[in-house]
Amino acid sequence: DTAVSQTPKYLVTQMGNDKSIKCEQNLGHDTMYWYKQDSKKFLKIMFSYNNKELIINETVPNRFSPKSPDKAHLNLHINSLELGDSAVYFCASSPGGGELFFGEGSRLTVL
Amino acid sequence: GEDVEQSLFLSVREGDSSVINCTYTDSSSTYLYWYKQEPGAGLQLLTYIFSNMDMKQDQRLTVLLNKKDKHLSLRIADTQTGDSAIYFCAEIRRGTDKLIFGTGTRLQVFP
Repeated sequence: DTAVSQTPKYLVTQMGNDKSIKCEQNLGHDTMYWYKQDSKKFLKIMFSYNNKELIINETVPNRFSPKSPDKAHLNLHINSLELGDSAVYFCASSPGGGELFFGEGSRLTVL
Repeated sequence: GEDVEQSLFLSVREGDSSVINCTYTDSSSTYLYWYKQEPGAGLQLLTYIFSNMDMKQDQRLTVLLNKKDKHLSLRIADTQTGDSAIYFCAEIRRGTDKLIFGTGTRLQVFP
């Protein structure tokens, strides 16, 4: 009964490939996020959805495309992977404000 | 600057107090937050403070807010080895729904 679950937890792939990370929350929250954490542990917001609608879209390359089929799911698809995409990607959900509930992260390694 | 700044490392002896500092950017932020990230896990909300407060105490945690200097601190009393983690302060910038995280402070507790 994990609140925010992401799959896969680890992903190793070659440059140029396309991959997806899935996220699901069972908390009934309207808002979901994707954050990227680099090797220095810096966290940067990438996207935010509210009830399936995109509300925050940071300056992220358009190779990254989020999709929210319903308010409990927010998936991240990445095309043409590059070395610099290697990071830990965190999904989070929120009832509003700054209280976020994070998944355990998906570590992406691009070779 | 644009970044929410924290010192990168703090090392303390078990039983001592830890003080983690943060300089944020938006003086109109309504709430300020402290999150904890344990190894291999997502972030967890520890505590938050409303901007009209100077101090908030929650068991071993004390948050101090100096709005004039845009300075936030987290004091952990009687620090335990289980407190070893990365601690992030965070703010929601005025006019956005974006929760912006600080650069993170790695707390190491030694016996």
